[in-house]
Amino acid sequence: DAGVTQSPTHLIKTRGQQVTLRCSPKSGHDTVSWYQQALGQGPQFIFQYYEEEERQRGNFPDRFSGHQFPNYSSELNVNALLLGDSALYLCASSLGRGLNQPQHFGDGTRLSIL
Amino acid sequence: EDKVVQSPLSLVVHEGDTVTLNCSYEVTNFRSLLWYKQEKKAPTFLFMLTSSGIEKKSGRLSSILDKKELFSILNITATQTGDSAVYLCAVRGSQGNLIFGKGTKLSVKP
Repeated sequence: DAGVTQSPTHLIKTRGQQVTLRCSPKSGHDTVSWYQQALGQGPQFIFQYYEEEERQRGNFPDRFSGHQFPNYSSELNVNALLLGDSALYLCASSLGRGLNQPQHFGDGTRLSIL
Repeated sequence: EDKVVQSPLSLVVHEGDTVTLNCSYEVTNFRSLLWYKQEKKAPTFLFMLTSSGIEKKSGRLSSILDKKELFSILNITATQTGDSAVYLCAVRGSQGNLIFGKGTKLSVKP
């Protein structure tokens, strides 16, 4: 039973560039949520995708956008990268928006901005 | 504004000790509280609590929720070096997304 998988594991970019991170949910899950975790902090909610639509959004600028595909996998795109975007980006999956179920996390993508 | 506060932020104990981690919260339309353990990368799910006063238990770990006083505790008995990790508390509000605390970093020394 495959868990949540994310790619790439690590990424180094420079300011102003754009990046795309990918996530495949746990088998049987249809909802994907993205979180940003800065060093020494808890994860912060970016947005959630369900039925290929963004359902909720946290307090992140429009530079952060996403997509969900028919097979439930998801992408997180960040444009015009800033130094402050350096963080661990976590993807979590759940079934049916996970309102009454736990979210299961992937290992994350470590993004470093130079 | 919804918030989750964990204490202490860090803790150093010796193998065999018992520890109690605290989580207090303020959230609109509370649905559930979840505990996760984060070692190097992925937070791994420990417990989800929705009802007050009912203890959830798994081996040496247990947790209980007090919805009246808006807090939860996570207990670990007979700690082992493998329990060293950051323990994250998260609360789910009416929208479904998780609001996390900063975590408690637990170090268990042999």
